[in-house]
Amino acid sequence: AQSVTQPDIHITVSEGASLELRCNYSYGATPYLFWYVQSPGQGLQLLLKYFSGDTLVQGIKGFEAEFKRSQSSFNLRKPSVHWSDAAEYFCAVRERFKTIFGAGTRLFVKA
Amino acid sequence: DAGITQSPRYKITETGRQVTLMCHQTWSHSYMFWYRQDLGHGLRLIYYSAAADITDKGEVPDGYVVSRSKTENFPLTLESATRSQTSVYFCASSDGEQYFGPGTRLTVT
Repeated sequence: AQSVTQPDIHITVSEGASLELRCNYSYGATPYLFWYVQSPGQGLQLLLKYFSGDTLVQGIKGFEAEFKRSQSSFNLRKPSVHWSDAAEYFCAVRERFKTIFGAGTRLFVKA
Repeated sequence: DAGITQSPRYKITETGRQVTLMCHQTWSHSYMFWYRQDLGHGLRLIYYSAAADITDKGEVPDGYVVSRSKTENFPLTLESATRSQTSVYFCASSDGEQYFGPGTRLTVT
């Protein structure tokens, strides 16, 4: 069965520091991969997606993610974190029309 | 309003009561979904619908009922609410990319 693992329940970074959120997936075929962000009390917003082609994908708000098939990973990165990036981040894989979500990583940003 | 809306945004109900959560989208997307979000579990799919009058179970369907008589609406009913159904419920619609509603926070006492 398809699954998504986000190994870090929460991460704390200093404002201005770089960020990497880890995501590993289990999927037999070429995956469709997503990263979503959820601010407190809000729904999920799509940050970026990978379907095919260039393995480094750019998203909104300065985020990027790299698909590494050999490692079954799709890690999210940002070179310089802003306080407004504090939120919960979800990695997801799509199987046909259903999306499987990871448990999420909560990002804390300290001044 | 354009987009996807959910109502109510907050609901408190008692064990054993029936409660219906509403979801409405204005894009005419074929696919719609209901998820529940619980700490440590991310989002888990309850039911989904590929089109009007076509629905199917997701990962955690027990205790829930859905219907889709119109493309734009996808209500979720808890026929006899239990405390374990206390959660935040998200509706989504999809044209290939999923768009989420703002969520309904349901508390079952």
